[in-house]
Amino acid sequence: GAVVSQHPSRVICKSGTSVKIECRSLDFQATTMFWYRQFPKQSLMLMATSNEGSKATYEQGVEKDKFLINHASLTLSTLTVTSAHPEDSSFYICSARADTYTGELFFGEGSRLTVL
Amino acid sequence: RKEVEQDPGPFNVPEGATVAFNCTYSNSASQSFFWYRQDCRKEPKLLMSVYSSGNEDGRFTAQLNRASQYISLLIRDSKLSDSATYLCVASISGSARQLTFGSGTQLTVLP
Repeated sequence: GAVVSQHPSRVICKSGTSVKIECRSLDFQATTMFWYRQFPKQSLMLMATSNEGSKATYEQGVEKDKFLINHASLTLSTLTVTSAHPEDSSFYICSARADTYTGELFFGEGSRLTVL
Repeated sequence: RKEVEQDPGPFNVPEGATVAFNCTYSNSASQSFFWYRQDCRKEPKLLMSVYSSGNEDGRFTAQLNRASQYISLLIRDSKLSDSATYLCVASISGSARQLTFGSGTQLTVLP
């Protein structure tokens, strides 16, 4: 079946550094990808919608200058957490919507970010 | 009030038991509904879609009551491998941007 690869799966960084997370659709094209954040025992919260070749659409309350999204190709979207702080520690998950009639959604394996 | 509400559990049931999860949604414009399963520290995976007429997939049965804005998932003959968090999801339209996730109900099936 379709696969979405997320990398890295786990990252630990110091406060103030920037971290880039990649979301790649391996066997299908995805014009649209989504980035979610999930805190422990809470639901997935949509952060932004990433559109290939255009600016991402951010949800209310998500700082676009802090969470930089780039969707340069039909198979890759990246999320960069800039100047990370401990409160940014979370599970970040991407999903990709296949460019097919059904537009099925596939999730990446998630990236666990810990900011010290 | 959360848009999609679920009983967080945890539900601890013996192997072979039948367990039911309930979910309510507040946005009456929601059109599509799903149950996802999420294992600890993993991504959510689609378990099944939920249709107005109700649908069954093996040991799993999903029901939708639009009038009450209520969704349910029934698991029969539960297995140890069913232990996970079950997420109720509502969508205003076919657009995945409108997916709203519940916070999940944790299930542990005990031997």
